[in-house]
Formats: sequence, structure tokens, C-alpha cells
Amino acid sequence: QVQLVQSGAEVKKPGASVRVSCKTSGYTFTTYHLNWVRQATGQGLEWMGWMNPKTGTTGYIQKFQDRVTMTRDTSTSTAYMDLSSLTLDDTAVYYCTVNRYGTSDWGQGTPVTVSS
Amino acid sequence: EIVLTQSPGTLSLSPGDRATLSCRASQSVGPYLVWYRQKLGQAPRLLMYEVSNRATDVPARFSGSGSGTDFTLTISSLEPEDFAVYYCQQRNQWPYTFGPGTKLEIK
Repeated sequence: QVQLVQSGAEVKKPGASVRVSCKTSGYTFTTYHLNWVRQATGQGLEWMGWMNPKTGTTGYIQKFQDRVTMTRDTSTSTAYMDLSSLTLDDTAVYYCTVNRYGTSDWGQGTPVTVSS
Repeated sequence: EIVLTQSPGTLSLSPGDRATLSCRASQSVGPYLVWYRQKLGQAPRLLMYEVSNRATDVPARFSGSGSGTDFTLTISSLEPEDFAVYYCQQRNQWPYTFGPGTKLEIK
């Protein structure tokens, strides 16, 4: 079955960067776009952007345009999300997710805490 | 960017009740509207796609309707696991925005 396994929790200081990984299995990695969504504690879902694992093409929402980079390693079927210049407002759980027709698979989430 | 609003913000019902949740879009999203349920501490789970199609293994008590800008998720008879937060999302136009959510709580 499809699995998305994310890296573990991170604690960072303001101004630092964080990398979250998402290792996929159970399907052909290059077939479907991989998306990143975040959720601050007690808040709603915020879609950050997408990546085409086949071509490496990405699309980021305006809010993260200058700070986020989504990449992949097709040899290991792993996607990465790098977020730089962290602020306290970036404290959230970050999810990777793949939408296949009729279903949607999510990683378990990676908590990122930004604290001085 | 397409803005989604959901109502009510909180819905208080009892097990066995019928629940009706609404999602309204700032412009037409065609048929590309999905619903998720998120239990506390878990990732969201897809319930409905393209307005009215149940996702894999979703029980028949869930149904979706609507078109264009106004959509409804109906749960015919609430089970204990249905008390959670529900989000709609449009996938018609990038960025694929989410609604703010409706919290379904036990009365």
C-alpha cells in the first residue's frame, strides 16, 4: 500500500532553516505531484505548494515564494521541503501529501517548532 | 486566489443525528471540490472528491452535493468517529486553497 513516511520533529531558532523529508513507497514516485501542507497548532490547513517528481517542476504559493524549496531524489523516491528564514509563525506540523484519483495519501506529519 | 468559507464554524450534535456542513467559494470551482475529515492528532483523511464521489473505503453515510460555488457535505447518521474537524478544498485553480474548517462536536 502507499506510504509516506516523514522525518522526525525539529526544533529551530528564528532565522534558521529546516529540511523535512518525505519517503514514499507503494506507488511510482514520478507519477503524481507531491504537495506540502502545513498546520499551525489549533489552526486550519495551509497548502504551501507542489512538485512534479518526474520533472522537478515546482509551484509555491506567494507567501512562501522566497523561502521554500521543494526537491526530490528519484533514486530513493523521497521528497524534500526546505524552509529558510524561519520565524515563530512557522511553528506548525508539516505534511507531505499525494493526490491520486479517488484517494489522497498523507505523511504522518513533522512538527517544526521555532523558538528562541 | 479562491477563498473558501465554511459554515457553521462549530456544529453541536449527538450520535445518530444528521449533519449538514456548507462550503462556499468566492468564484466557481467547477466540480473540483473535495472534503476532508481530520481527527485530533491525525492527518486529514479524504472523504469526497469531485463534489459527490466517496473516496476509497468511505462509508455510505457520507454524501456530497453542490456545484459552482456552493457545496454541502451531509452525514446521514453520526457515528462517534465523525466528531472531528471537516475541511473543504478546491482543486480547480492553483493555489489549491482550503476552507477554515467546521468543528463537529458532541452535544
